[in-house]
Amino acid sequence: DAKTTQPPSMDCAEGRAANLPCNHSTISGNEYVYWYRQIHSQGPQYIIHGLKNNETNEMASLIITEDRKSSTLILPHATLRDTAVYYCIVRVSNSNYQLIWGAGTKLIIKP
Amino acid sequence: AAGVIQSPRHLIKEKRETATLKCYPIPRHDTVYWYQQGPGQDPQFLISFYEKMQSDKGSIPDRFSAQQFSDYHSELNMSSLELGDSALYFCASSLAGELQPQHFGDGTRLSIL
Repeated sequence: DAKTTQPPSMDCAEGRAANLPCNHSTISGNEYVYWYRQIHSQGPQYIIHGLKNNETNEMASLIITEDRKSSTLILPHATLRDTAVYYCIVRVSNSNYQLIWGAGTKLIIKP
Repeated sequence: AAGVIQSPRHLIKEKRETATLKCYPIPRHDTVYWYQQGPGQDPQFLISFYEKMQSDKGSIPDRFSAQQFSDYHSELNMSSLELGDSALYFCASSLAGELQPQHFGDGTRLSIL
């Protein structure tokens, strides 16, 4: 699975959009981008995933660049409860393979 | 909606003892994954099962073993416990097949004294 690079930490004001970048320049054609988050000491929570088209669900939007070498997770209206470590993971489709976790981004939402 | 259930939530053991962690997947999920997360570290994959057969193996020590039962629940058995085994142990479940995300339980916090 391709390696990902994320900034170690970010701040965002409550109510504003939080934009979390992820670099995955070595991603291959059959690898999907997944985002999870982990609120302190809780189990990781699935957020969203995509291949090449932008995706949106009730939690977030995922914007993937045309060359697929990077992506951005957008939390449209961040709340204090969105403070967590956000992990960007690339994963081969059609597999039950393990998730390989990088360091993630510690997102702090400030009032 | 039903989530992944892990038991116990907290467990305290002494060195060289054994421990058994249990995981009950979301109903109809046929794949189970185990992860270990040490203090201040990222989750590390240990092992996974699909339809009661081991499907993938990560950095699971030889002292640990796991299995998935006919009702799809899974147990992680840990023997000769060491201080370094103190960690959060997460179980995740998913449906098999393309694109299915893993859904995690709240973990078992294992402390070795």
